[in-house]
Order: sequence, then C-alpha cells, then structure tokens
Amino acid sequence: GAGVSQTPSNKVTEKGKYVELRCDPISGHTALYWYRQSLGQGPEFLIYFQGTGAADDSGLPNDRFFAVRPEGSVSTLKIQRTERGDSAVYLCASSKSGLVLENTQYFGPGTRLTVL
Amino acid sequence: AQSVTQLGSHVSVSEGALVLLRCNYSSSVPPYLFWYVQYPNQGLQLLLKYTSAATLVKGINGFEAEFKKSETSFHLTKPSAHMSDAAEYFCAVSAKDTGRRALTFGSGTRLQVQP
Repeated sequence: GAGVSQTPSNKVTEKGKYVELRCDPISGHTALYWYRQSLGQGPEFLIYFQGTGAADDSGLPNDRFFAVRPEGSVSTLKIQRTERGDSAVYLCASSKSGLVLENTQYFGPGTRLTVL
Repeated sequence: AQSVTQLGSHVSVSEGALVLLRCNYSSSVPPYLFWYVQYPNQGLQLLLKYTSAATLVKGINGFEAEFKKSETSFHLTKPSAHMSDAAEYFCAVSAKDTGRRALTFGSGTRLQVQP
C-alpha cells in the first residue's frame, strides 16, 4: 500500500518568500504530524493533527509557521516570510489513531527546503 | 519534560561484529521508547518500540533493544552487522503520562559497517 507522500521533494526559495509544503498521509490514518530536521540533528516536532483540528501546535517556532488539514486527510504546512534559518528537511508522519499505544508514526521522505 | 541522549554520533563496526547503539532517556515516568532508522534519501523507518510489555523488544532486520528502568536506557543491539545496516539511527520517546503524541528524538548515531 502507499506510504506517506510529500511534495515537493525539494524546494528552493528566496528569503522573504512564502512556501507551502504538502503531505498525503496513509489512507485511513487520523493522526498527522509535522517535524523539522536540521542538518546533523534529529527531527523536532512542529504540530500534530487529530482529524481536522490541530491538537498540539506547541512545536511551531513562531507565527510565520501555520498548518492546515481541512478535510482530515491532506495537510499543508505554510511558512511566511521565509528566513535562511528555516532551511531544513520537513518531515510528515501519520499514525492510525491518536491513541498512544497505537502511536506508531510512519514517516514520509520529507521536503528539503532551502532558503537562499 | 522528557529528553533523549544518544551517546556517540558515529559508530563504526566491522561486518559480522556486534552492533551497540546507546540511548538514555530522561523522564519522570518511564515513557514509550522507539528506535527509527534512516537510510540515505529515505524516510524514517520504525525498527522497534517499547510500550511497557516485555522489556526485551525484538524488531526488524535482527535488531533488538532492552528497556532498563534502573539505568534509564534503551540501547539497540544486533549480534552481527551487515553492510546493509549502514544508516543513521534515532532513538525517540513519547510521553506515557501526559498522553502527548509528539516524539522527542535524539540527535542520531551514524553507523558505518566496514568490510
């Protein structure tokens, strides 16, 4: 079956521009997560959706970052006024439900964002 | 707050040798623990997870990890390394008491396997 997919795989933008990163979770997975992985580091949590609502957005670094999941499936991470420090690989993951014991998160290949 | 420490950013072993990747956690309540592997240009793949059942957890590709509460550790082992095991390995925790779903990852250990 299809795994988590993310588009684009690579995105190069200029400082100050707006970008959108898309995530398609595994079909039927109600929970969706965004992480950010900087070079040489482990992934850092950004936001978690249960269904259409953001259940935990405590990892978003500032108000330039926003994410939506309007129909409870596809999610879009939006970054306004990009800065060079936003350059990283953005990872999306999904899990079958929000139940902790079923919290096996399946990761997509990521979108590599480069801000020039 | 919980955290994970992976000792050794790089580990090199010979093919056929024992693999030992170290992970220590910090949490007031023993958390759920995970090991993920990341191959070049691929997404993170779950190797194994501990959810408070058996303390010795067996995963894919011959890997296993043992939860030791007294040592707050969850080290990953494999008896005999294969060339295909070369990758980056991440230990992660998830809170058991708060129900918070986010994973907190360590900084990773890159495993090299020498022929």
